[in-house]
Order: sequence, then structure tokens, then C-alpha cells
Amino acid sequence: DVKVTQSSRYLVKRTGEKVFLECVQDMDHENMFWYRQDPGLGLRLIYFSYDVKMKEKGDIPEGYSVSREKKERFSLILESASTNQTSMYLCASSFPNEKLFFGSGTQLSVL
Amino acid sequence: QKEVEQDPGPLSVPEGAIVSLNCTYSNSAFQYFMWYRQYSRKGPELLMYTYSSGNKEDGRFTAQVDKSSKYISLFIRDSQPSDSATYLCAKRGGSNYKLTFGKGTLLTVNP
Repeated sequence: DVKVTQSSRYLVKRTGEKVFLECVQDMDHENMFWYRQDPGLGLRLIYFSYDVKMKEKGDIPEGYSVSREKKERFSLILESASTNQTSMYLCASSFPNEKLFFGSGTQLSVL
Repeated sequence: QKEVEQDPGPLSVPEGAIVSLNCTYSNSAFQYFMWYRQYSRKGPELLMYTYSSGNKEDGRFTAQVDKSSKYISLFIRDSQPSDSATYLCAKRGGSNYKLTFGKGTLLTVNP
């Protein structure tokens, strides 16, 4: 059974903290993605990676960075968390040109 | 203009009704369209996909693309309470990696 696992289901952080969101997939997918999902705005792409150590900015990369040191793991980093980064964060993975498999999401609250 | 527009609803129907969910797109170069279903507190999962010139049927679900009006639709026949979810349309555009999602339509099927 395919699996994309996000390390935390709920996370509460304070403004200015450095936050790491971790995602692991067990399907040997080349592509991995980070989206955020907000009411009224839908799913928006933050960053994606098409290979180890390779990354490209999505539609809303400001305030975020990513790391992909191993094929199965893709990390999203909030260097200095702000309240407007309170959101549901969704990780996904896929083979090239194939369907995305999503994790269950991390609900991040920044106070 | 956003590349994919979707009426967010919410949409509430009685069990057994035929449901029509719709999206419009603005770029004729889009070739590959998808519908994802997202249950509450879960990540999206692929429900249907179609190429620009085709219809596709899978059980009670039919995905349809009308290129002349740049309209994509998902029809659900004999809707069930278990169909209650948010439905997201998505397109794959010029990049092989990126999907762009609509905002999602929240559907409730009442028993």
C-alpha cells in the first residue's frame, strides 16, 4: 500500500521560531511536493523537487525553503514562522507525469 | 485570471441526486485534467483523470472536458452520503511536474 507520511498531524509554534515539516514516501517517487491549503484559496504549490538535491519554486515560495537530501524525504522549512503561515500543509509525491499521492497533512498554527 | 476556476459551493443534495461539479480553465494548452476527492482531515486522492478531448466513466462517476468552452465537469450519479467531501479539479500545464488546483467544491449528500 502506497504511503506518504507527514511527521506531525498538528503543530503549534510561536512567531519567529524555525519550523521543520518532514515528509517521507515509500514508493521510490522522483517527484515530491509541498502545498499549503487555506479556506477560500485552495491548494497552492510552495516548492517541488524532481530529484535528490533538486528543487524548484512553486507559486508561493516566500518565507519557505526546502531540503531533499534523500530520495524518500522532503522537508519544508519555515525560517522564521509568522502568523500568516498558519495553514494546512500537504506533502505529495509522484512518478513523472503520473498521479500525485498525498499525505494526511500537518495543521500548523503559529501564535 | 486564475488558470483554473472552481465554484467553492457549498453544495448540498439529497441522497440519490445527480451531482454536477464544474471548473473552467483559461489556457488552451492544458492537456491533462484531474479530479481529486478530499475527505475531512485527509489528503486529496485522485478520483478521475481525462485528456483534453475525452470523457471518462468510472462507475457512478463521469469526467468530461468541453474544449470549446474550456469547461471540465464531474458528474456523480446516484449520490451517496459517502460521497460527501471536497472535490478539487486540477490541470497539468506546460511543466511536467506541476499541478494547478481549483479551490475545491464542498459537497454534502444528505441521507
